[in-house]
Amino acid sequence: TQLLEQSPQFLSIQEGENLTVYCNSSSVFSSLQWYRQEPGEGPVLLVTVVTGGEVKKLKRLTFQFGDARKDSSLHITAAQPGDTGLYLCAGSGGYQKVTFGTGTKLQVIP
Amino acid sequence: DTAVSQTPKYLVTQMGNDKSIKCEQNLGHDTMYWYKQDSKKFLKIMFSYNNKELIINETVPNRFSPKSPDKAHLNLHINSLELGDSAVYFCASRPPSGSSYNEQFFGPGTRLTVL
Repeated sequence: TQLLEQSPQFLSIQEGENLTVYCNSSSVFSSLQWYRQEPGEGPVLLVTVVTGGEVKKLKRLTFQFGDARKDSSLHITAAQPGDTGLYLCAGSGGYQKVTFGTGTKLQVIP
Repeated sequence: DTAVSQTPKYLVTQMGNDKSIKCEQNLGHDTMYWYKQDSKKFLKIMFSYNNKELIINETVPNRFSPKSPDKAHLNLHINSLELGDSAVYFCASRPPSGSSYNEQFFGPGTRLTVL
């Protein structure tokens, strides 16, 4: 069974601070996605990383895939209240099956 | 022009009842999923259909029966509802293999409460 552990589980920070969320596994994934979920809604795709060591940027968000494709990180620079939400990583290993991480709940206080 | 839609949004019912949740996607995707998100926000896959064929069936009680009348629809029927079935159920779809990396497009969720 593939497991994806995210840390921290909860994060409450002030607007303008930087933060990093980690997604770790002992399994190798062919691709990894990050999603953000807001209360009462479904998760929304932010990014997909495929190649070991790959770095992708989405405005103030920087995503990195580990060299061995077992882990990933999400770094947010100068967090804003609009970044508040549940961040989920998800790894693809088997045929069309996706394993979601344990989630990181982020609160950005104005 | 909702991409993935689910009905109902909220479902409150008594233990022992039978209920259904419907899902439709207008993205032209071939593969659809049902996920269960528990109170700790953990999202777990339940079923997956590709072109109306069941391809993933995780360890789910057989009280849960998915049905896909066509590749744009995936419904979930639950018999003899139990308290532990209370959760948010998400439908999702993904683009055809070869054009994506298993990216999931989620519906808004159905919050099921069993009393």
